[in-house]
This record gives sequence, C-alpha cells and structure tokens, in this order.
Amino acid sequence: AQSVAQPEDQVNVAEGNPLTVKCTYSVSGNPYLFWYVQYPNRGLQFLLKYITGDNLVKGSYGFEAEFNKSQTSFHLKKPSALVSDSAVYFCAVMGRRALTFGSGTRLQVQP
Amino acid sequence: NAGVTQTPKFQVLKTGQSMTLQCAQDMNHEYMSWYRQDPGMGLRLIHYSVGAGITDQGEVPNGYNVSRSTTEDFPLRLLSAAPSQTSVYFCASSYWSGIGDTQYFGPGTRLTVL
Repeated sequence: AQSVAQPEDQVNVAEGNPLTVKCTYSVSGNPYLFWYVQYPNRGLQFLLKYITGDNLVKGSYGFEAEFNKSQTSFHLKKPSALVSDSAVYFCAVMGRRALTFGSGTRLQVQP
Repeated sequence: NAGVTQTPKFQVLKTGQSMTLQCAQDMNHEYMSWYRQDPGMGLRLIHYSVGAGITDQGEVPNGYNVSRSTTEDFPLRLLSAAPSQTSVYFCASSYWSGIGDTQYFGPGTRLTVL
C-alpha cells in the first residue's frame, strides 16, 4: 500500500525568504505525486504534480517541487514566500485507484 | 464550468438521523470520490466510482453508502449518523486514464452530529 509522510506540522518563514515543505512517499510502481493547498474553510486546490520526466516540476503561484527517486522525496519549494501563501499544504500519492494524502503542513509566512 | 459543487455547506444532525450529501460535476469526469477530513489526519477516502454504475470502498467506508446512476452525480448517504462522523466531507472528480489524473475538489460540507 502507498503512503505519504509530511514530517513537519508547521513551517514558519519570513516574507521574501525561500520556503520548503517536505514530503516523502512510499509506493510500488511508478510514483504519481501531487501537491494541493487548502486555504481556511476552503476545498483543496491543485498546485502541481509529477508523472514522469523532468525532476523539477513547476506549478501554480510560483511553486515548484523537486522529485528525488533515490530519497523517495517530493519537496515543495518557492524562491520567495508571500504572506498570502499562508495555508495548509498536502502532499499526495496516487495509488491503484485513489489518492493517499499526508497529514498536511501548515505554512505560516510572517510579514 | 461550475466544476465540483457540493450541498449543503453546513449540516447539523442528531445521532441516528440519516441524510444525503450531494456532489455534482460538470466536467464529464469518469472518476468521482468522497473523502473526509479530520484534524491532523489529512484526507481519508470513503468511497469512489470510476463510472456510472460502478462504485467501490475506500479506507473508511463503514456507515456510508454511495451510488452512481449518472456521470454527473455522486451522492453520499449517511445511514444512521454517529458523533464519530462529525467531519468535513469533500467530493472530488477527475478523468480516468490511470496515469496521474488530477483530482478537482469541491468546497466541502461541514457536518456535525450531536
């Protein structure tokens, strides 16, 4: 069975600094990996995904993620954080027929 | 496109009551699913469907029923509500190629069972 781990419950970063939200995964076969963002009292919004090919995936709102097969990681990054990036971020892996989500990481960007 | 819509937005039930959470999508997606979100636990899959007439159980199916009579609609029925079903429920849909299809989520239904 597939699984995802997000080791940090919360990440704090100052506005303008780079941010990283960590994710590691376990899956048999090809990994299809996703990042979603959830703003307060809202549904999940798709940010980006890795299917195959280039290990650096670019997504919405200036986010990108780096796929590392040897470390089974898929960390979310952004070069310069904005206060409006404050939200909860979920990493997910596609299994045979459904997504399995991590527990989420709350990102707090301080002005 | 309205995308994925869910009704109601909020609901309060008493223990033992039944109700149906509605989900609809207008993107002609084959795949639809229901998740519940509890604090600190991410999202857990309840049921899913890969097409009209086809449904299957997810990780936490007990106490819930689903059916898929049309491509557009995928209602979730609570048979006899329990306080443990207090949660936020999300419906999602996607195409079904089997190769990393992106799921799109509805705004959620916040359910409280007293």
